[in-house]
Amino acid sequence: EPEVTQTPSHQVTQMGQEVILRCVPISNHLYFYWYRQILGQKVEFLVSFYNNEISEKSEIFDDQFSVERPDGSNFTLKIRSTKLEDSAMYFCASGLGSVDQPQHFGDGTRLSIL
Amino acid sequence: AQSVTQLDSHVSVSEGTPVLLRCNYSSSYSPSLFWYVQHPNKGLQLLLKYTSAATLVKGINGFEAEFKKSETSFHLTKPSAHMSDAAEYFCVVSATYNTDKLIFGTGTRLQVFP
Repeated sequence: EPEVTQTPSHQVTQMGQEVILRCVPISNHLYFYWYRQILGQKVEFLVSFYNNEISEKSEIFDDQFSVERPDGSNFTLKIRSTKLEDSAMYFCASGLGSVDQPQHFGDGTRLSIL
Repeated sequence: AQSVTQLDSHVSVSEGTPVLLRCNYSSSYSPSLFWYVQHPNKGLQLLLKYTSAATLVKGINGFEAEFKKSETSFHLTKPSAHMSDAAEYFCVVSATYNTDKLIFGTGTRLQVFP
């Protein structure tokens, strides 16, 4: 069964540094998402992406965040200047964009900011 | 606005006994509801989904859930727990009007004792 893959599985970065989290969505999916889960808290929506542009973003997704689909397979989340509070598990998901179709999630990238 | 409330943060059962994980939802529209499971150090796997068809939904690994509009509930059940069911379970709602972002509950950690 096709799956969403994320790399790296764990990223450790100094505060203030830029970090890029990578995702390879399922090949026939057209909608892409990032969610995050701070330790001990619920999973939160960050952003959705379709047709090479952001379709929706949450209030968490401020100017330090950006997303990109640099080629036909990868979908990336960039955090420009990381803060301690960015430490979290980041999940990529992809789907067909219908509200009754489930989104498929990757295993996540654990981001630790020192 | 859509939301879900998972009534129990932890549930402990003995192997072979029934499992009940409770979820109540709030939605202005006819919701799509999902249960996802997260095993330790793994991603979010879809267990089952409700999308306005049959109110009793069967999922993977023997789990099922019943949509009860009158009670605004979508409880997850399994007749007989297995040790491998130990994981975190998330009740999730998707809006059906103008967004496909997922809104997660806070999760229920299921422990299964031998």
